[in-house]
Amino acid sequence: DAGVIQSPRHEVTEMGQEVTLRCKPISGHDYLFWYRQTMMRGLELLIYFNNNVPIDDSGMPEDRFSAKMPNASFSTLKIQPSEPRDSAVYFCASSVASSYNEQFFGPGTRLTVL
Amino acid sequence: AQTVTQSQPEMSVQEAETVTLSCTYDTSESNYYLFWYKQPPSRQMILVIRQEAYKQQNATENRFSVNFQKAAKSFSLKISDSQLGDTAMYFCAQTAPNDMRFGAGTRLTVKP
Repeated sequence: DAGVIQSPRHEVTEMGQEVTLRCKPISGHDYLFWYRQTMMRGLELLIYFNNNVPIDDSGMPEDRFSAKMPNASFSTLKIQPSEPRDSAVYFCASSVASSYNEQFFGPGTRLTVL
Repeated sequence: AQTVTQSQPEMSVQEAETVTLSCTYDTSESNYYLFWYKQPPSRQMILVIRQEAYKQQNATENRFSVNFQKAAKSFSLKISDSQLGDTAMYFCAQTAPNDMRFGAGTRLTVKP
């Protein structure tokens, strides 16, 4: 298996622009997680899905952030409008059968908002 | 709310020696899992070891082992025979239904 795939690996954008991050989980995994990593706040869980349904989005920082999972093999995290403080590394992870289980992480997307 | 605390922001160890990374957590859940993840400079998050809270036996994976003290809510990672490739950030994490929390991380440097 190719593992969790994220795109793009790097994104540089200007403040106010819309940003869309993409994730393809490991085939057969029914849990998908979005995390944000910054020096100041560490690794934060933003939202997670089970069988394509959002279960907990309490970590989403504000309404500018939204996430979707239209099918079992694809998810997006969108920021609109983007702000400099959104600059971070965004990770997608997936796991099978339970939110207890090992999460397999993607390589991350480094987002820079100028 | 769950919290995971790693009290050592940075540590260093000589190659071939042993080092222990500390982690404490706070939860009201009775059923949960604990993890140590490694993040090398490549940024990839890699699972090192996992411990189920209901198991008393400490988990071991080759050179990596844990000291799980459930009553004390402590979950330390011991790395034996440290190698240069062990240089990375190490994150302790706790998961339970509907939640997962990571510690702030410990930056480990293995010196030749």
